Amino acid sequence: KQEVTQIPAALSVPEGENLVLNCSFTDSAIYNLQWFRQDPGKGLTSLLLIQSSQREQTSGRLNASLDKSSGRSTLYIAASQPGDSATYLCAVGGNRLAFGKGNQVVVIP
Amino acid sequence: NAGVTQTPKFRVLKTGQSMTLLCAQDMNHEYMYWYRQDPGMGLRLIHYSVGEGTTAKGEVPDGYNVSRLKKQNFLLGLESAAPSQTSVYFCASSYSDREIQPQHFGDGTRLSIL
Repeated sequence: KQEVTQIPAALSVPEGENLVLNCSFTDSAIYNLQWFRQDPGKGLTSLLLIQSSQREQTSGRLNASLDKSSGRSTLYIAASQPGDSATYLCAVGGNRLAFGKGNQVVVIP
Repeated sequence: NAGVTQTPKFRVLKTGQSMTLLCAQDMNHEYMYWYRQDPGMGLRLIHYSVGEGTTAKGEVPDGYNVSRLKKQNFLLGLESAAPSQTSVYFCASSYSDREIQPQHFGDGTRLSIL
């Protein structure tokens, strides 16, 4: 069974600082890896999807890397803003996703 | 752009009552999913469907039933609600995995069982 771990569970950073969120998974035979954002009381919004054959994906200030051999992915958010405050979830799999419990991020103005 | 719509948004039930949660998507997606999200547990897959008329069990299927009579709708039923089923339920949809596409989520149904 795929296990997905996200550390730390919660973190606070001052505005402008770069955010680094980590995700680890136990089974390297993944189909793809996705990073989602969840705002309080809302559903999940897909941020980035990395296919198993890719090493990274970028969208604006967001960059996600994938290292299957070590079972790790990292989400970088450059120059964080208060609007980046949310919970970030990592998920691996194909049509059946295994989710981590999330990184709850607070960006302090 | 409706995307994935879940109804109702909130519901309170008594133990033993039954109810159906409705999920509708307007993106012509083949795959649909039901998850539950609990504090400290993360999201867990209940049931999913790979096309109209099909359903399959996920990680935590006990106590739930599903139906996919129309491609755009995926229903989640609780036949006899239990307090352990108090949770936030999310529906999601995606294209078939012949095309690698992200799952799209609804805003959730907050269900309390007293």
